[in-house]
Amino acid sequence: IAGITQAPTSQILAAGRRMTLRCTQDMRHNAMYWYRQDLGLGLRLIHYSNTAGTTGKGEVPDGYSVSRANTDDFPLTLASAVPSQTSVYFCASSKTGTGGDEQYFGPGTRLTVT
Amino acid sequence: GQNIDQPTEMTATEGAIVQINCTYQTSGFNGLFWYQQHAGEAPTFLSYNVLDGLEEKGRFSSFLSRSKGYSYLLLKELQMKDSASYLCAVRDSNYQLIWGAGTKLIIKP
Repeated sequence: IAGITQAPTSQILAAGRRMTLRCTQDMRHNAMYWYRQDLGLGLRLIHYSNTAGTTGKGEVPDGYSVSRANTDDFPLTLASAVPSQTSVYFCASSKTGTGGDEQYFGPGTRLTVT
Repeated sequence: GQNIDQPTEMTATEGAIVQINCTYQTSGFNGLFWYQQHAGEAPTFLSYNVLDGLEEKGRFSSFLSRSKGYSYLLLKELQMKDSASYLCAVRDSNYQLIWGAGTKLIIKP
């Protein structure tokens, strides 16, 4: 693994189903993030984690949950998917959550909720 | 509320220069980032400004004026591969990035 990986690449999901999007990084970054990207809108932060064992809510957290059991993994769970959660989801990481640390992005998961 | 404004789309000619503007209103300021995003791909980092002035990096330069809440990304000697969306993002007082919707840059031969 080099950088950040996400799985699955794409998924079609029936409304009401539970789904976990996976994210793994091998850069030993402390901070990790989940964004959604919708046409015409900027990236919106769903949840973040500044270090293993801690998480925080972003701009649009409703309907999503995260955990950060270790440094490398940061899964995003949709407990009961709804069509408005149709989006492209990006996981990102940075060394810390401050200063000029750039965020590195995974390739994204394209999710369609029907 | 917090707001980042960028033009939706710009067109430029191969070999020319283009300036993409970004204005922002955020709760606090802890730096401004520019990212490039090709269609169907992830954003990649281009530049970071935290102090007023110009930062130059090869064909790309980024300028910041904190008093005006304004930044621009300058791309010189445009190449076809520069066709992409350019995203402006500001780190706010909570150290979270607030993102603009992006500027789609179309390069014509």
